[in-house]
Amino acid sequence: AQSVTQLDSHVSVSEGTPVLLRCNYSSSYSPSLFWYVQHPNKGLQLLLKYTSAATLVKGINGFEAEFKKSETSFHLTKPSAHMSDAAEYFCVVSDKQTGANNLFFGTGTRLTVIP
Amino acid sequence: EAQVTQNPRYLITVTGKKLTVTCSQNMNHEYMSWYRQDPGLGLRQIYYSMNVEVTDKGDVPEGYKVSRKEKRNFPLILESPSPNQTSLYFCASSRRLGQGPQPQHFGDGTRLSIL
Repeated sequence: AQSVTQLDSHVSVSEGTPVLLRCNYSSSYSPSLFWYVQHPNKGLQLLLKYTSAATLVKGINGFEAEFKKSETSFHLTKPSAHMSDAAEYFCVVSDKQTGANNLFFGTGTRLTVIP
Repeated sequence: EAQVTQNPRYLITVTGKKLTVTCSQNMNHEYMSWYRQDPGLGLRQIYYSMNVEVTDKGDVPEGYKVSRKEKRNFPLILESPSPNQTSLYFCASSRRLGQGPQPQHFGDGTRLSIL
């Protein structure tokens, strides 16, 4: 069975400092993993995806994530936070087992950026 | 512009009054899905469809119906809404999983309040 655990429900950083949003996954199969961002009153936007190619994945807006199989982790990072990064972030694992493109979402991490 | 369009964006209604939330995508995607988002629970899948006339239950299908008569449309139907269906709903679409793990494109959400 697939699942993800986002270890922090809320992260607060100062503008210009690094961002780390943690995610651990559970999957019986080689997983596909995603990070999505949700800005207030908006739908979800794909930040990046891991599909068993390079373990370090670069996404939009300067975000990147590293797939670590030994730690079953897929943490999201950014070297320097901007005010516009304030949003909710979801770590997601794809269910390939059933042949469907179903997604399993973590409970989300709300990122606050302090000026 | 590639997009997933949901209507209405906001709706307040009363218990038992049938309602339909429409979802339409213009990307010729085979796969479509409905999620509900509740605080602290992330997004949970209600129903999904892998192609026209093919639908299946997600994690929380009780109280909902869907249909997929056309490729572009995937309406969500609440035959007899109840207050516990008050939530934020998202429709999403993607290409088939068989063409590789596919990120999903999300609509902007529909906020339903059932009184």
